[in-house]
Amino acid sequence: NAGVMQNPRHLVRRRGQEARLRCSPMKGHSHVYWYRQLPEEGLKFMVYLQKENIIDESGMPKERFSAEFPKEGPSILRIQQVVRGDSAAYFCASSPSRQGGEQYFGPGTRLTVT
Amino acid sequence: GQQVMQIPQYQHVQEGEDFTTYCNSSTTLSNIQWYKQRPGGHPVFLIQLVKSGEVKKQKRLTFQFGEAKKNSSLHITATQTTDVGTYFCAGSSYGKLTFGQGTILTVHP
Repeated sequence: NAGVMQNPRHLVRRRGQEARLRCSPMKGHSHVYWYRQLPEEGLKFMVYLQKENIIDESGMPKERFSAEFPKEGPSILRIQQVVRGDSAAYFCASSPSRQGGEQYFGPGTRLTVT
Repeated sequence: GQQVMQIPQYQHVQEGEDFTTYCNSSTTLSNIQWYKQRPGGHPVFLIQLVKSGEVKKQKRLTFQFGEAKKNSSLHITATQTTDVGTYFCAGSSYGKLTFGQGTILTVHP
């Protein structure tokens, strides 16, 4: 039973380019969460999605960041016109329900902006 | 919004010593979860506490949830080198997790 999959694992972008991060939840999970982690810091909630719906985007920066979870395919976190401050580890997690239970984390995407 | 504070930020122990990390929330929590992240790895779920005053044990790990459901602790007895990593508490609200800053545990052999 495959866990949460994220790709790419490492991504290098120049300032001004776009970054696309993908997340495939565990089989049977329809709830996806994205978190950002700066070096030696905790994880910060960004967005919570169900299939085709954004449930909570209170942690998303107002500009340049967007997320989707289409009916078919992985969830995508998109960062337009990246800046050096976007360099971080981005983790995706999934759960089978919204009831506050365990979240299963993927291996993360380490984004470096040069 | 909800804030979760965790102390200490760093803890260095000799192998065999005990370790405790503490977590405090600005608001009453419906439940609290604990995760462990190894260096270079991803968070891995350890446990969830739901009831006021709840105590749960996993081998050498003891987790407590305060009576007011605003604080929690994780205690490791007789640390081993395999315990190294960062331990996070997280409050859960309608699916969203609010993480503490984490405690980085180093165990010297």
